[in-house]
Amino acid sequence: QVQLVESGGDVVQPGGSLRLSCAASGFTFSSYGMHWVRQAPGKGLEWVAFIRNDGSNKYFADSVKGRFTISRENSKNTVYLHMNSLRAEDTAAYYCAKRYFHDTSGPSPFDYWGQGTLVTVSS
Amino acid sequence: QSALTQPASVSGSPGQSITISCSGTSSDVGGNDFVSWYQHHPGKAPKLMIFDVNKRPSGVSDRFSGSKSGNTASLTISGLQAEDEADYYCSSYTTSTTVFGGGTKLTVL
Repeated sequence: QVQLVESGGDVVQPGGSLRLSCAASGFTFSSYGMHWVRQAPGKGLEWVAFIRNDGSNKYFADSVKGRFTISRENSKNTVYLHMNSLRAEDTAAYYCAKRYFHDTSGPSPFDYWGQGTLVTVSS
Repeated sequence: QSALTQPASVSGSPGQSITISCSGTSSDVGGNDFVSWYQHHPGKAPKLMIFDVNKRPSGVSDRFSGSKSGNTASLTISGLQAEDEADYYCSSYTTSTTVFGGGTKLTVL
């Protein structure tokens, strides 16, 4: 049974930092790239970041480039989203999601998502 | 990448069929067959319903089907049921990035 459990969401002031974690189980974590996706209140889904299975390549949405980073510890089956210089518009539920196909298989949708963790940026 | 365009809302009665459109460009929806659809009940994890334009993951009802014509993809739900009421998102994906549509709220009357 695949499980993705996010944690680390909190209320933080503008300009602050936060680290989100996503603990994975039920699959061979080191074989799959992982994504972060967010949903602002009342808004749709927005892709945020992706990290390849071995951590060798990372990609970011323009809206977070230069402020957010992504990392993973395959020994702990965990992926992280490091969020710096937070803005009010970063307020959202943040989901981690697993690639459907192995990283060697080309383009892939997401087959499993976590329940999300809430980040609120407010003074 | 710009968000894909979906209608804000659609509705239908139980037993009916509905179709949700997803418009993009030749750089995304129209340029390949990497389109997926997600069902999202608020407060729950989104669920993959369709991938590669028209393929269903194991366990997804065959009442859900996908298609594409030019730069527009579509999700059709036949035999509407109350539990189909949710938000639906299309996406166009590459090896490393994804762009979503704005989402469509499906109401089952």
